[in-house]
Amino acid sequence: QSVLTQPPSVSAAPGQKVTISCSGSSSNIGNNFVSWYQHLSGTAPKLLIYDNNKRPSGIPDRFSGSKSGASATLAITGLQTGDEADYFCGTWDTSLSAAVFGAGTKVTVL
Amino acid sequence: QLHLQESGPRLAKSSETLSLTCTVSGGSISITNFFWGWLRQPPGKGLEWIGSSHYGGSTYYNPSLESRGTISVDTSQNRFSLRLTSATAADTAVYYCARQSGVSGDLEHFDYWGLGTLVTVSS
Repeated sequence: QSVLTQPPSVSAAPGQKVTISCSGSSSNIGNNFVSWYQHLSGTAPKLLIYDNNKRPSGIPDRFSGSKSGASATLAITGLQTGDEADYFCGTWDTSLSAAVFGAGTKVTVL
Repeated sequence: QLHLQESGPRLAKSSETLSLTCTVSGGSISITNFFWGWLRQPPGKGLEWIGSSHYGGSTYYNPSLESRGTISVDTSQNRFSLRLTSATAADTAVYYCARQSGVSGDLEHFDYWGLGTLVTVSS
């Protein structure tokens, strides 16, 4: 059972938008920065978003992050077939004194 | 471009010590505002942070590991290692090494990851 809650899957047609939610509590998302990662099968996980809404160099602006209270959201616009992957959120949990993650959301491009 | 690669036995015996090494290339492990961490994902489960260590010595562990884990940084070889004692079947997982941004007392996101390696613990 992961500390952060994500939907198991989301899907949309090419060019459309998907959003992935990540729900937590005041001990984690509510008071700490959230990061998002993309994991394509057979490759190393890639950092997409850090500090709630910042993109590392090289990440297209089709990927955006936001946070409100104890929940965070990753949005992917202009969906491409290459975006099919697992996406997971992460943050620090002050009560657990540990980095925690969501179980991941599989994005399918229809 | 920083590159991290895990190596070590793919099979560990129950009750013995699981050991892995992460070799860092394309950059120095002796860098101030970054830690070097281990994470794992058991089959069918979510990602679990094991712990992270700074080349200067500060190390943080997930309390859920109940002090079974040790992470050490070798600056001469530009690599870091994980030792997990008293292994059980529950430690079977894909193990990842990663670089973690942060300073002591404030660990943040993971910006570079290895491919991961599956370690199976069996009797």
